[in-house]
Amino acid sequence: QKEVEQNSGPLSVPEGAIASLNCTYSDRGSQSFFWYRQYSGKSPELIMFIYSNGDKEDGRFTAQLNKASQYVSLLIRDSQPSDSATYLCAVNKGREGAQKLVFGQGTRLTINP
Amino acid sequence: DGGITQSPKYLFRKEGQNVTLSCEQNLNHDAMYWYRQDPGQGLRLIYYSQIVNDFQKGDIAEGYSVSREKKESFPLTVTSAQKNPTAFYLCASSQTSGAYNEQFFGPGTRLTVL
Repeated sequence: QKEVEQNSGPLSVPEGAIASLNCTYSDRGSQSFFWYRQYSGKSPELIMFIYSNGDKEDGRFTAQLNKASQYVSLLIRDSQPSDSATYLCAVNKGREGAQKLVFGQGTRLTINP
Repeated sequence: DGGITQSPKYLFRKEGQNVTLSCEQNLNHDAMYWYRQDPGQGLRLIYYSQIVNDFQKGDIAEGYSVSREKKESFPLTVTSAQKNPTAFYLCASSQTSGAYNEQFFGPGTRLTVL
């Protein structure tokens, strides 16, 4: 079992709809979770992080964390063509100081105009 | 401008050669990281450093070496012992003082073995 698992997709969503991206992790002791967006050929950029159970909203993005079920999700409302990218889920295994991020393989999202 | 620079953008290596990838940051971050990304895959941690003159192995350190002589610089050497080095290499940096420090990534170096 991989430490962090994502559906590699591709996930195709019509413009204006809600895109839902999911991630599961194996280490119950994990404390913080990150969603990165990566355009083709570019480096990842942080969208959101979450560390408490429940929802965290930032503009069109909502991260959801359920530690009991060991999953993290990212919702993108009012999807735009510019949201088309690969979304990487990362789990921090470090306890203090430098992070030790473990990444999933990424979900490729395509928003269709 | 504050940020992370990596050079070169593209690098070609012959089998048996060692090559060094450069990573510099002017964000005054204490921690620096090296990742490798293969096509269609996530990032895997090679090495990281929390402080000058100290670094730790990540999940796939075999065939790689690093140094941290200056806070701003964290070069990665891909040695001939790395059997499959063709990949996209990403350097990142972060603060270490908070609990949820964001990692900022450089633009990456694409290494191809000929």
